[in-house]
Amino acid sequence: NAGVTQTPKFRILKIGQSMTLQCTQDMNHNYMYWYRQDPGMGLKLIYYSVGAGITDKGEVPNGYNVSRSTTEDFPLRLELAAPSQTSVYFCASSYSTRQARGSPLHFGNGTRLTVT
Amino acid sequence: QQPVQSPQAVILREGEDAVINCSSSKALYSVHWYRQKHGEAPVFLMILLKGGEQKGHEKISASFNEKKQQSSLYLTASQLSYSGTYFCGTDLFAGGTSYGKLTFGQGTILTVHP
Repeated sequence: NAGVTQTPKFRILKIGQSMTLQCTQDMNHNYMYWYRQDPGMGLKLIYYSVGAGITDKGEVPNGYNVSRSTTEDFPLRLELAAPSQTSVYFCASSYSTRQARGSPLHFGNGTRLTVT
Repeated sequence: QQPVQSPQAVILREGEDAVINCSSSKALYSVHWYRQKHGEAPVFLMILLKGGEQKGHEKISASFNEKKQQSSLYLTASQLSYSGTYFCGTDLFAGGTSYGKLTFGQGTILTVHP
């Protein structure tokens, strides 16, 4: 198993450009998440998904969009990039059911994004 | 609301013990603990669930006080490999349904010296 795979690892964007951060997992996890981590800070939830076709906003969704067309993939779209979106972006997944309470998050290695 | 971690930083020598605390102002469904080394992804350590269930690594010890909404991570006989930033993540209790949406604390930097 590769686990959670994120691409690209690094990216520099100019203000106003757009891009998609890719995330795929091969563990058949139903839940997937996007977090951002600013330098020296904790992780903040951007969007999450509880299954294919179902997404919802997290704590800091402004400036981002997501889709979940398959169980495996959960891309994050940045429209009109701004310097405030300079951060490290982590995708994570977990498997949870009503019977299996509390499951660990498996994180990808992150995408380091700089907007100048 | 973001949980509060204390202390912000700890410096130890190999073999010493440390306790990292995590406190929330809201009722919790679970508390997660992760360790992150510089430039790497967070790695799962432990989950503590409402009701007393725990899941995680055998060598990691933690507690969850449901009445106070507080959790503590106990690192004993520290090793150099324990160095990193420790995050607690809290999952709020909302009608018994959890989507695993974690709110992370600001982190505690642990440095272990030889």
